[in-house]
Amino acid sequence: SYVLAQPPSVSVAPGETARITCDGEDIGSQGVHWFQQKAGQAPVAVIFYDGDRPSEIPDRLSGSKSGNTATLTISRVEAGDEADYFCQVYDNTNNYRVFGGGTKLTVL
Amino acid sequence: QVQLVQSGGGVVQPGRSLRLSCLASRFMFGHHYMHWVRQAPGKGLEWVAAISHDGGTADYADSVKGRFTISRDNVKKTLFLQMTGVRGEDSAVYYCARDRGGVSFDSWGQGVLVTVSS
Repeated sequence: SYVLAQPPSVSVAPGETARITCDGEDIGSQGVHWFQQKAGQAPVAVIFYDGDRPSEIPDRLSGSKSGNTATLTISRVEAGDEADYFCQVYDNTNNYRVFGGGTKLTVL
Repeated sequence: QVQLVQSGGGVVQPGRSLRLSCLASRFMFGHHYMHWVRQAPGKGLEWVAAISHDGGTADYADSVKGRFTISRDNVKKTLFLQMTGVRGEDSAVYYCARDRGGVSFDSWGQGVLVTVSS
């Protein structure tokens, strides 16, 4: 089955830039989606199809992809960005939706 | 603004059944695929099942295939997940989610906790 690998944790100081990666075989041919989940809350979509941002998401969050790695970048990190972040793709061989294991972003 | 309000969680004994519901409002429910996604305590997200807009097609994760059934009532704008033969590893917060483009999710319910315990 398709596997997406994320670092378990990323730490960054306020005002700095956080980069969260998502590695997967053939991820270059997949649209990668990103979700933010704050403690005790439901996930919220922050990036669709590698880099499309819903209108309600601030432009400090952006997505990109290179080779087999997708990256969620959060610029000018704020305390309110502290959350778990999950990448997700569609596995069209079996119609599965696959999530990465998640990355906990800590704002120092 | 899309609204998905869930109900039906609780404590269930191993081997028994439980049905979750998700009432949709403020969008054309019958036009969208819908999903169930779960999250075990302290763990990541796991896609569980998807159903087509008319209920004619359903897909399941291997972990629940043959035990869980996703269904919908487009008149009542409600999505269901019938869980049978539950196991300890089914303990999780279950979310309903609206499909985006057949590949992802753009709106989520509030989640309900299912605890499998004797």
